[in-house]
Amino acid sequence: QTVVTQEPSFSVSPGGTVTLTCDLSSGSVSTSYYPSWYQQTPGQAPRTLIYNTNTRSSGVPDRFSGSILGNRAALTITGAQADDESDYYCVLYMGSGVWVFGGGTKLTVL
Amino acid sequence: QVQLVESGGGVVQSGRSLRLYCAASGFTFSNYGILWVRQAPGKGLEWVAVIWYDGSNKYYADSVKGRFTISRDNSKNTLYLQMNSLRVEDTALYYCVRLGSSWAIDHWGQGTLVTVSS
Repeated sequence: QTVVTQEPSFSVSPGGTVTLTCDLSSGSVSTSYYPSWYQQTPGQAPRTLIYNTNTRSSGVPDRFSGSILGNRAALTITGAQADDESDYYCVLYMGSGVWVFGGGTKLTVL
Repeated sequence: QVQLVESGGGVVQSGRSLRLYCAASGFTFSNYGILWVRQAPGKGLEWVAVIWYDGSNKYYADSVKGRFTISRDNSKNTLYLQMNSLRVEDTALYYCVRLGSSWAIDHWGQGTLVTVSS
């Protein structure tokens, strides 16, 4: 059973920088898993932020960036704003038509 | 613009069946793989199933394998999810999502709610 783990919650001050991570139970996350990141605000469908590790989706501000940090995928928000307060999900493509979502990180901006 | 509109959700008893629909518009449906992703109330997102652009391949999460069937009709720009032997734990908002570049989701529907009662 493959498990993708994210921090359950995180807090950042307005204008601050925060890095959310995405860990894989069976080993290191690499670009071969095509990590992607999604933002969901309460009552709304998710929105695609980052795909293929570090490619921003259309219309996503450049304060959002993706990377591999050590053995994890990472989403960094630089200059956090109040409306960045959301749930963030990473997804890894395991190959053979299988995707695994992380449990999500609830980000608070205060 | 790309639109994915789910329908078919509702309240159903445990053990019964339900069929979900996803009507696609604003893009060439037959060029894209489509996934179902679900979200139980107050919980995270879970991948459910995927179908390749031409229907040639279908894959399922272990939690639904053998009970759910994904299919598509490219002539009608419609995706389906046949859900049999429903369980209380299948209660969720079901999203129809488009598979874009690099194995990532690039567009999401608004979801249709399935409630399975005991």
